Amino acid sequence: SQQGEEDPQALSIQEGENATMNCSYKTSINNLQWYRQNSGRGLVHLILIRSNEREKHSGRLRVTLDTSKKSSSLLITASRAADTASYFCATDEGNTGKLIFGQGTTLQVKP
Amino acid sequence: GAGVSQTPSNKVTEKGKYVELRCDPISGHTALYWYRQSLGQGPEFLIYFQGTGAADDSGLPNDRFFAVRPEGSVSTLKIQRTERGDSAVYLCASSLTRVTEAFFGQGTRLTVV
Repeated sequence: SQQGEEDPQALSIQEGENATMNCSYKTSINNLQWYRQNSGRGLVHLILIRSNEREKHSGRLRVTLDTSKKSSSLLITASRAADTASYFCATDEGNTGKLIFGQGTTLQVKP
Repeated sequence: GAGVSQTPSNKVTEKGKYVELRCDPISGHTALYWYRQSLGQGPEFLIYFQGTGAADDSGLPNDRFFAVRPEGSVSTLKIQRTERGDSAVYLCASSLTRVTEAFFGQGTRLTVV
């Protein structure tokens, strides 16, 4: 089953621009996480935001969470070519601890 | 070890054969997850362990798939009578507890020919 849905599916921007990706989910959650995956296999954890938090920053990353709308956004500021990757949101479905991923947003940053 | 280790990194097997995929989680992590990822898709949940027990195995596609974690550390995903549709990258992740960030291994690319 898929819990989160990312939007857009694909995004192409120029280096230096900001990139915004959105995620919607269906059930109540303890937290929402964002991951990055370069072509290849490993997923890298970027940031975790708890259900009682509304915004969180980490370097050039800014994540917001709106539990009333069951949605989150990931903003990457001043993008770099090295940010080119797929980005996934993941939630613990129904507070079970089971971590469910969306289909991802593929970001291309052109130099 | 420093991170989650998965072996083998690649496995090619013939249709109908049995395969085992191994995951060594980060020491001390109680939660362990198995996912399957096909090209262009997000990781698909298979099973989640909390300690030695399978807390949720609702993602296992059918009874050909089975996973164990007998001592609450290393886990093995077992696939019987493999089919070509089982070809995918199998990812393992571990987390300190069930509500903290998960750390992924590099995956095992399974190809069934």
